[in-house]
Amino acid sequence: GEDVEQSLFLSVREGDSSVINCTYTDSSSTYLYWYKQEPGAGLQLLTYIFSNMDMKQDQRLTVLLNKKDKHLSLRIADTQTGDSAIYFCAEFTGTASKLTFGTGTRLQVTL
Amino acid sequence: GAVVSQHPSWVICKSGTSVKIECRSLDFQATTMFWYRQFPKQSLMLMATSNEGSKATYEQGVEKDKFLINHASLTLSTLTVTSAHPEDSSFYICSANRIGAAFQETQYFGPGTRLLVL
Repeated sequence: GEDVEQSLFLSVREGDSSVINCTYTDSSSTYLYWYKQEPGAGLQLLTYIFSNMDMKQDQRLTVLLNKKDKHLSLRIADTQTGDSAIYFCAEFTGTASKLTFGTGTRLQVTL
Repeated sequence: GAVVSQHPSWVICKSGTSVKIECRSLDFQATTMFWYRQFPKQSLMLMATSNEGSKATYEQGVEKDKFLINHASLTLSTLTVTSAHPEDSSFYICSANRIGAAFQETQYFGPGTRLLVL
């Protein structure tokens, strides 16, 4: 199967860390991505990780991958109001040669 | 780099008319372009994949005669919604892979086109 699941909503206070989780079922995925979508806009690529990696850090973003459990997470350090958006994880599977997107998590950052 | 544009950004049309949406890679050449549809508060659904000079590959359940895709060059793909009906109202987003990129599978997305069919 190619279902990619995310929790619908996350609310954090400005300055705290946010952790957005994603679970997938296709073990043949080769790359996993995190995209950000602001209201009425397209998707902005935030970061990606190879399936043979456990962790990747890019400034305030940390991606953790547990391939055994098919679990991906995105940690945003020092969350700012500008981080409020919908975050999509996506997996690329070589067999299908396409991206499968998660259901999206709406992140709300409060003051 | 890796900027993708779409035109128009929004369009309102009468039922029965056809609407063309353009997707352009502005600062790179694209190996493949993708067309997605997104309903309110939902995820993206891949409609079709297109390569320059060849026919598009449509996902199951997507009518190819309804959603015509033309991939004229390495920087331009168009989606035409033919005989549009209110149920075709949606947010259409294109994306493109970048020729020569380290990771060819990475897709860069356009800003989307909101279509409202009255």
